[in-house]
Amino acid sequence: EADIYQTPRYLVIGTGKKITLECSQTMGHDKMYWYQQDPGMELHLIHYSYGVNSTEKGDLSSESTVSRIRTEHFPLTLESARPSHTSQYLCASSELVNNYNEQFFGPGTRLTVL
Amino acid sequence: GQSLEQPSEVTAVEGAIVQINCTYQTSGFYGLSWYQQHDGGAPTFLSYNGLDGLEETGRFSSFLSRSDSYGYLLLQELQMKDSASYFCAVRDGAGGSYIPTFGRGTSLIVHP
Repeated sequence: EADIYQTPRYLVIGTGKKITLECSQTMGHDKMYWYQQDPGMELHLIHYSYGVNSTEKGDLSSESTVSRIRTEHFPLTLESARPSHTSQYLCASSELVNNYNEQFFGPGTRLTVL
Repeated sequence: GQSLEQPSEVTAVEGAIVQINCTYQTSGFYGLSWYQQHDGGAPTFLSYNGLDGLEETGRFSSFLSRSDSYGYLLLQELQMKDSASYFCAVRDGAGGSYIPTFGRGTSLIVHP
């Protein structure tokens, strides 16, 4: 069982609100990721981090920001939510062992912006 | 860049064997992984192939041919609970990257 947690699990908010999606892992992994996934579709990488104070944007253009002040914590913030942000957001972490990089995913946050 | 191709949907009956193929194009290659995702759930890791050949884990096996840029996931003795989406993912290792690229996923429907 992976020790990676996301809160909230479900969120319904109005347009223009600022929100922060929380992600924490207790495995001590350096690498963490945020993905956006619409139902039945592929995962799109929106942000990743290789360690504390390291953050990079992913392939999918996103109006969100992330921070990595502690190894275990990788929150994602939307400054002004819009209906186009409605999606599932998945956080993951990984560690490279013998050139092998299994990702552990959190349960996800299902966001609906009205 | 990287691209992966896998079928969008596969159907089979309980007890059968099914194979989900994945072809990829990458500038470098550091392994092919498979993940399972049930509706509304998070992806969970199934297998990894770094070298050519077959890896077996219980009812699931995964195969890789680097010369053909091709791999597959084989599910045997299918059960209803195997109905899920299956994603292949590759890491090209470019610039020390640890970022995998996921395919679009294959929806497996298991019928009684």
